[in-house]
Amino acid sequence: GIQVEQSPPDLILQEGANSTLRCNFSDSVNNLQWFHQNPWGQLINLFYIPSGTKQNGRLSATTVATERYSLLYISSSQTTDSGVYFCAVERAGNTPLVFGKGTRLSVIA
Amino acid sequence: DAEITQSPRHKITETGRQVTLACHQTWNHNNMFWYRQDLGHGLRLIHYSYGVHDTNKGEVSDGYSVSRSNTEDLPLTLESAASSQTSVYFCASSVLPPEVGYEQYFGPGTRLTVT
Repeated sequence: GIQVEQSPPDLILQEGANSTLRCNFSDSVNNLQWFHQNPWGQLINLFYIPSGTKQNGRLSATTVATERYSLLYISSSQTTDSGVYFCAVERAGNTPLVFGKGTRLSVIA
Repeated sequence: DAEITQSPRHKITETGRQVTLACHQTWNHNNMFWYRQDLGHGLRLIHYSYGVHDTNKGEVSDGYSVSRSNTEDLPLTLESAASSQTSVYFCASSVLPPEVGYEQYFGPGTRLTVT
């Protein structure tokens, strides 16, 4: 099956710093999503981005489908950005998402 | 507002008991999923459904069952709870492609402890 690798596995940032999280996948995909799991365990949709670039406030994401990777940018990080960021991909039409193991982000004041 | 809910949010049960976790969504999504999340394993797919009366096994389906009698609900049953099934369980739903913006949404989770 398709492999999803996320890096780095852990990241510690000072509040206000910028960061880039990476998601590599081993095959072409129809769907790619980024999720944030907050410290209370809630999984929140960030982006649906099978290709191209999207921005939402301080967060933006870029997927280069031909090179099989996606990047999540967090600018001016805040303590509320802490948690685990998951990348998930769908290999073919209407098949379950395959999740990476996540990047654990800690933003300290 | 449309939403996806899970109940109970926390449950403690004994080994060998049958347990059912509820998942209800009001988005009228065709697809529904159950995952478990354990330290070191990330999110693992248990069962999923693409519509009423459709069910499919995921990567960790042993000891679990689901049934889909309507669009809104996908209950997860642990036939005989085992300590290895202590975990946090997430339900999710998504719209059937080719709708614009095929996205999966998660419920708040159920923390299950089997003693």
